[in-house]
Amino acid sequence: QQQVKQSPQSLIVQKGGISIINCAYENTAFDYFPWYQQFPGKGPALLIAIRPDVSEKKEGRFTISFNKSAKQFSLHIMDSQPGDSATYFCAASRGGSSNTGKLIFGQGTTLQVKP
Amino acid sequence: DADVTQTPRNRITKTGKRIMLECSQTKGHDRMYWYRQDPGLGLRLIYYSFDVKDINKGEISDGYSVSRQAQAKFSLSLESAIPNQTALYFCATSDRRSTEAFFGQGTRLTVV
Repeated sequence: QQQVKQSPQSLIVQKGGISIINCAYENTAFDYFPWYQQFPGKGPALLIAIRPDVSEKKEGRFTISFNKSAKQFSLHIMDSQPGDSATYFCAASRGGSSNTGKLIFGQGTTLQVKP
Repeated sequence: DADVTQTPRNRITKTGKRIMLECSQTKGHDRMYWYRQDPGLGLRLIYYSFDVKDINKGEISDGYSVSRQAQAKFSLSLESAIPNQTALYFCATSDRRSTEAFFGQGTRLTVV
């Protein structure tokens, strides 16, 4: 049973375009939603994260949109660059006093940005 | 030097063999994790440890065991490797005051 569902599995975008990756979760106890970026041969690294008390968080060209009622969140990459080509994972976990650091990951999206 | 170091980086082993994957960290974090990555499945938690005396099973612990030799070292063992354990394995650490996880570079394990 996949508690965090991610789509699409792969994505091809032209340089300068917008990349959008979507995730949906089931467990309403989750209160921390990070996105991890993974380059070939490397481990995942935290890109950006959001908590459910806000509907959007922006860091540079990367934005998370969060819809608590729909239990969905998405990553938007504006002005996509070839250097953004990587695998992206959404994840969810419980923070606060229940913080165990355990991450539930989505299936991953392989992004290719064409020059 | 990497903050989270995994050895070996690549390993091919035969069915039925025992194999150990090692992880060490210099971040001073108390929490350590082992994840497995498979195409189309993302990363799934195998075991996690909050300190040397606190080890817990994750989502997919069957066929695996772990040892926390010190705060900085956390090893994953496959007692009798089978082909469907072929995967990319990641060690990660985090601090109890934070939700961010720091990953090693991974071990690609092939069981033939």
